[in-house]
Amino acid sequence: EIVLTQSPATLSLSPGERATLSCRASQSVSSYLAWYQQKPGQAPRLLIYDASNRATGIPARFSGSGSGTDFTLTISSLEPEDFAVYYCQQRSNWPRGEYTFGQGTKLEIK
Amino acid sequence: EVQLVESGGGLVQPGGSLRLSCAASGFTFSSYEMNWVRQAPGKGLEWVSYISSSGSTIYYADSVKGRFTISRDNAKNSLYLQMNSLRAEDTAVYYCARDLGTLGFFDYWGQGTLVTVSS
Repeated sequence: EIVLTQSPATLSLSPGERATLSCRASQSVSSYLAWYQQKPGQAPRLLIYDASNRATGIPARFSGSGSGTDFTLTISSLEPEDFAVYYCQQRSNWPRGEYTFGQGTKLEIK
Repeated sequence: EVQLVESGGGLVQPGGSLRLSCAASGFTFSSYEMNWVRQAPGKGLEWVSYISSSGSTIYYADSVKGRFTISRDNAKNSLYLQMNSLRAEDTAVYYCARDLGTLGFFDYWGQGTLVTVSS
């Protein structure tokens, strides 16, 4: 099973600052990685897929990069609504269904 | 507008059974692969099961294999998860999630239904 490790566990920043979240895979997942945002009491929302493609309706301040085992989600200038938990997910063994998520990074207001 | 609405959650005793449903609307349900993803209270996300658009291909996470059964009825625009031999560790919010055009990522999610396994 491919393990995804996200860092940091918690990131404290202020609105307007730049956020950089990391996701590291235990083995190469090529570019088959996605990022999700989840707010309390809500379902996750897809932000980025295939490492760098923004999903429909996602603002341009969200960007993804990386390939192989190291990936980054960058939020260029934080808006108040961006404070949430972020998860990465890999699907390198699609369609065998072996999808795994990282443990999450909580982005909190400083 | 794409909508996924789960139902069927509740309190069940260990060893019991429960059937979850997910009603889909706003898109051509029969053209999309679907999944169930769960989230234990205060924890992260765990993929549970996948079903192809026709229902001919199915996968499960090892943690539920042999106990859970995913199915769909394209005529009723509905996805199901039959859960048997439930354990305390199955306690979670269960989400149905649409696959992003056969890519193995999840572009639309329901609001979730809570399953609590406790005596």
